[in-house]
Amino acid sequence: DAGVTQSPTHLIKTRGQQVTLRCSPKSGHDTVSWYQQALGQGPQFIFQYYEEEERQRGNFPDRFSGHQFPNYSSELNVNALLLGDSALYLCASSAGTFSNSPLHFGNGTRLTVT
Amino acid sequence: QQQVKQSPQSLIVQKGGISIINCAYENTAFDYFPWYQQFPGKGPALLIAIRPDVSEKKEGRFTISFNKSAKQFSLHIMDSQPGDSATYFCAASTAGNMLTFGGGTRLMVKP
Repeated sequence: DAGVTQSPTHLIKTRGQQVTLRCSPKSGHDTVSWYQQALGQGPQFIFQYYEEEERQRGNFPDRFSGHQFPNYSSELNVNALLLGDSALYLCASSAGTFSNSPLHFGNGTRLTVT
Repeated sequence: QQQVKQSPQSLIVQKGGISIINCAYENTAFDYFPWYQQFPGKGPALLIAIRPDVSEKKEGRFTISFNKSAKQFSLHIMDSQPGDSATYFCAASTAGNMLTFGGGTRLMVKP
């Protein structure tokens, strides 16, 4: 049973460019959330997708956008990259949006902006 | 207030000892409190979680203690092993399953 898979694992981009990160949820899960983890810090919530709609959003600018597909997979897009966007981007999936639905995380995409 | 404050930032414990990590929160709307373990290069993995109507939950060597009136909760790792060396995060969520994480505790268990 595959867990949450993310691609690519590493990415290097230049300031001002755009990037797309991809996530496939754990089998049986229909909700996908994205988190940003800066080095040495806890993950910070970006947004959550359920039924192909953004349901909740954290304190991130609209340069961060996403999408969920009918097969529950998801993409995170970041436009006009800044140096401060360098971080580990984590995708997490769950079965529904209830607060006690355990979140299962992927191993992340390490984004470096130069 | 959405913050979850975690302490200590780092912890060194001898093999066989007890590791204790503490967290405090302000938002009384939080209704689910999970702990995650993260190894270098990996994503966080759920260890154990508790609801606020329970004061303690134990799973193997891991125990969560929860004090609702003080708005504090803690993770105890009994008989700590070198393989437990990792970064531990407490978290809290409200309805909708949006997690707010603490800043993390880097645990090192010395053989």
